[in-house]
Amino acid sequence: DAGVTQSPTHLIKTRGQHVTLRCSPISGHKSVSWYQQVLGQGPQFIFQYYEKEERGRGNFPDRFSARQFPNYSSELNVNALLLGDSALYLCASSPSATTSGANVLTFGAGSRLTVL
Amino acid sequence: GEDVEQSLFLSVREGDSSVINCTYTDSSSTYLYWYKQEPGAGLQLLTYIFSNMDMKQDQRLTVLLNKKDKHLSLRIADTQTGDSAIYFCAETGGYNKLIFGAGTRLAVHP
Repeated sequence: DAGVTQSPTHLIKTRGQHVTLRCSPISGHKSVSWYQQVLGQGPQFIFQYYEKEERGRGNFPDRFSARQFPNYSSELNVNALLLGDSALYLCASSPSATTSGANVLTFGAGSRLTVL
Repeated sequence: GEDVEQSLFLSVREGDSSVINCTYTDSSSTYLYWYKQEPGAGLQLLTYIFSNMDMKQDQRLTVLLNKKDKHLSLRIADTQTGDSAIYFCAETGGYNKLIFGAGTRLAVHP
C-alpha cells in the first residue's frame, strides 16, 4: 500500500506569490492534517480536515487555507508568501478525526517550500 | 498552556543505550508519542503510550511515563548508527491534533 504522498517535494517561490501543496492520504483514511515544520523546530499544527469539513485550525493567519476533496485528498494554499513561510509542510492522514493511540497520524515526506 | 520540551542534543557510543527525555504540560493528554525524523524525510511513528500506563516496551524501545511529573522518556537499547536522527515527543492537543517538542538530535558514534 502506498503511504501518504505529497507533491511537489521541493519548490521555490518569491515573496508575495501563492503556493498550492497537495496530499494524498493512505487508502481508507478519511482525515488529513497539515503541519508546518520550520528548520530546527518541531511541527506546528495548521489544519485538520475530516469528511471534507474543517475540524481544526491552528494559530496561522488567514493567508493559509485548505480543502479536502471527495476522494479525501487535500490541498494547502498559502497566499501572499512571506520569507517566514519557508518550511517543510507535512501532511498526515488517519482513519478518523480523533487523535488517539488507535488513530495514529501517518506522515508524508513533506513539501519543502523556500521563499526568496 | 500547551508546551512540550526536549533537550536538543544527545551523543552516544554505538552499542550503548540512549535515553531521550521530554516534559509536557497538558495533564489531560490521553496519548503521548515518539516520532523519528531522518534527514530530508517526514516523521515516522516509533511508539506511543496511553496515559494510564507507566511503561511500554517494543523490541529495543522502552517508553517510561511519569504522569505526576509530566515526564516521558524513550530508551533505545543497543543504539546503532542507523538510529541517528531527530526524535520528537508529542502529546495530544485536544481531540484532533498533536503538540510536538522541538526535537532531540541523536548522534551515534563508533
